[in-house]
Amino acid sequence: EVQLLESGGGLVQPGGSLRLSCAASGFTFSSQAMSWVRQAPGKGLEWVSVISASGGRTIYADSVKGRFTISRDNSKNTLYLQMNSLRAEDTAVYYCANQVVGVTSAFDSWGQGTLVTVSS
Amino acid sequence: DIQMTQSPSSVSASVGDRVTITCRASQGISSWLAWYQQKPGKAPKLLIYSASSLHSGVPSRFSGSGSGTDFTLTISSLQPEDFATYYCQQANSLPLTFGQGTKVEIK
Repeated sequence: EVQLLESGGGLVQPGGSLRLSCAASGFTFSSQAMSWVRQAPGKGLEWVSVISASGGRTIYADSVKGRFTISRDNSKNTLYLQMNSLRAEDTAVYYCANQVVGVTSAFDSWGQGTLVTVSS
Repeated sequence: DIQMTQSPSSVSASVGDRVTITCRASQGISSWLAWYQQKPGKAPKLLIYSASSLHSGVPSRFSGSGSGTDFTLTISSLQPEDFATYYCQQANSLPLTFGQGTKVEIK
């Protein structure tokens, strides 16, 4: 059974930083692309970033480009999202999701999400 | 970026009803479309991928169709556990984009 467990969310001041983690199990982590998707309170889903299976390719939404960095450690089956220069509009539940086919594919399984609140 | 537009934004239906949700892409995406179900406070769940392929474990009352720019999600006989919000997502090109969601409510 695929399991994805996010952690690292919390309350941070505008301009601050936070690092999210996503621990994966139940599938061959090193063979699948992984994404972060977020959902602001009461709003819809917004894709944030994707990383290829090897980690050699990373792509970002314009809204986070230059501020967020996605990475992975295939030896630890863990995905990361380093978030810098956080803004109020980054407040959301952040989900990690695996993509079986590649960087442009459906999100096969999702974690339970971790809430990031950016506020003074 | 490819814009995804769902309709309706919400629908009221009764148990046993047939429900249809549509999704339109701003440009052709072949069959690279997925549908998700999300219940309050929970993560989304994949229902359909490649426009019409049922994800493992998803009941057969869910079906998807379409290609190019116009797509449909159909629930053939609505069950109590189906009341939720449904999202479409294009998987044709980056950035990956979602529709705004359709809330299926109890009539």
